[in-house]
Amino acid sequence: KQEVTQIPAALSVPEGENLVLNCSFTDSAIYNLQWFRQDPGKGLTSLLLIQSSQREQTSGRLNASLDKSSGRSTLYIAASQPGDSATYLCAVMSDSWGKLQFGAGTQVVVTP
Amino acid sequence: EPEVTQTPSHQVTQMGQEVILRCVPISNHLYFYWYRQILGQKVEFLVSFYNNEISEKSEIFDDQFSVERPDGSNFTLKIRSTKLEDSAMYFCASSERGFMNTEAFFGQGTRLTVV
Repeated sequence: KQEVTQIPAALSVPEGENLVLNCSFTDSAIYNLQWFRQDPGKGLTSLLLIQSSQREQTSGRLNASLDKSSGRSTLYIAASQPGDSATYLCAVMSDSWGKLQFGAGTQVVVTP
Repeated sequence: EPEVTQTPSHQVTQMGQEVILRCVPISNHLYFYWYRQILGQKVEFLVSFYNNEISEKSEIFDDQFSVERPDGSNFTLKIRSTKLEDSAMYFCASSERGFMNTEAFFGQGTRLTVV
């Protein structure tokens, strides 16, 4: 059974520092991995999708890596800003119907 | 930019009542999903829907729950005889395809409060 874990559960950094968020999964047989942002009481905003055949994916200040064999993905956010404060979730797709299995998230606070 | 739309944003209901949560997926998407997030817990998969039928459901999705695509644009989740433990944020999602290089897009959620 697939288990998705995110460490740390919470992170506080000063503005300008780079953020490193970790996601691990127990079953390496995944189709893809997706990173989301969730603001308090709000929906999920898709940030990046990494296919199982890819090693990394970039969008602006965001970069996500994937090491499928070791069951790990890392989301890097460069030069953090207070507006980056949110909870970041990773989710893996392990079946052909598109079901996503989520980690518990990392709550990020960027202080001015 | 196309988006998944959910209504209502917040619904309060009495225990034992039936509720219907509504979603309008992105128009060219073929796969539809419902997830829920109980306060402080992980986002959990409920059901996936393709070609007008359920393709997969979790153990949470028992006879109390049903889904429907009543027309070409809406996708609904019905919860019969609501319980206190059904209180959660319910998210609808859609994707163009169900697997491979398919990004899932989520709505803003419906917060269901059962009193």
